[in-house]
Amino acid sequence: QVQLVESGGGVVQPGGSLRLSCAASGFTFDIYAIHWVRQAPGKGLEWVAFIRYDGSKQYYADSVKGRFTISRDNSKNTLYLQMNSLRAEDTAVYYCAKDYHYYASGNYNYWGQGTLVTVSS
Amino acid sequence: QSVLTQPPSVSAAPGQKVTISCSGSSSNIGNNYVSWYQQLPGTAPKLLIYENDKRPSGIPDRFSGSKSGTSATLGITGLQTGDEADYYCGTWDSSLSAGVFGGGTKLTVL
Repeated sequence: QVQLVESGGGVVQPGGSLRLSCAASGFTFDIYAIHWVRQAPGKGLEWVAFIRYDGSKQYYADSVKGRFTISRDNSKNTLYLQMNSLRAEDTAVYYCAKDYHYYASGNYNYWGQGTLVTVSS
Repeated sequence: QSVLTQPPSVSAAPGQKVTISCSGSSSNIGNNYVSWYQQLPGTAPKLLIYENDKRPSGIPDRFSGSKSGTSATLGITGLQTGDEADYYCGTWDSSLSAGVFGGGTKLTVL
């Protein structure tokens, strides 16, 4: 069965960095687009970043552009999110979500369990 | 402020039907597929409807989706107490080159 398992969350000080990972299994990883979506405590879903199936294209939310970098290693079936210059408003549960297609359709058919990132001094 | 607009809350009695609306624009709903997600407390979102009106395997036919122009609707019939959750619509916005979600709708089954 399809599994997406995030890791790497934790507590970090403002201005700090963190790298999240998402290990995928149960499907052909290198033919699907993948996204990061976050949810601040008590708030709704916020799309963060997208990467095409082959890593050739990435898009970012304005709120993270220039600070976050999405990447993937298809040989390891793993997605990453490098987060730099973290701010208090980045505090959220971060989910990786598999797109239904190889391109960005905005239809996410599988989600990980999420990893909590807390930015606080 | 979310790009897609949903009502904050809806409610209905067990066994009844409820609809949740999602309003957008030509750059998102108008020209892209819409999906719907159910999020139970403390859990990850779960796909209910994809590509406007398709149900993944395992999703009961009590759940339905439709799209017209720049709006989409999720329908739930035969409401059960277990349907109490937050529901989100989502799609891609071609002008923003970004994923977009509605603000979420809390369903209460009275």
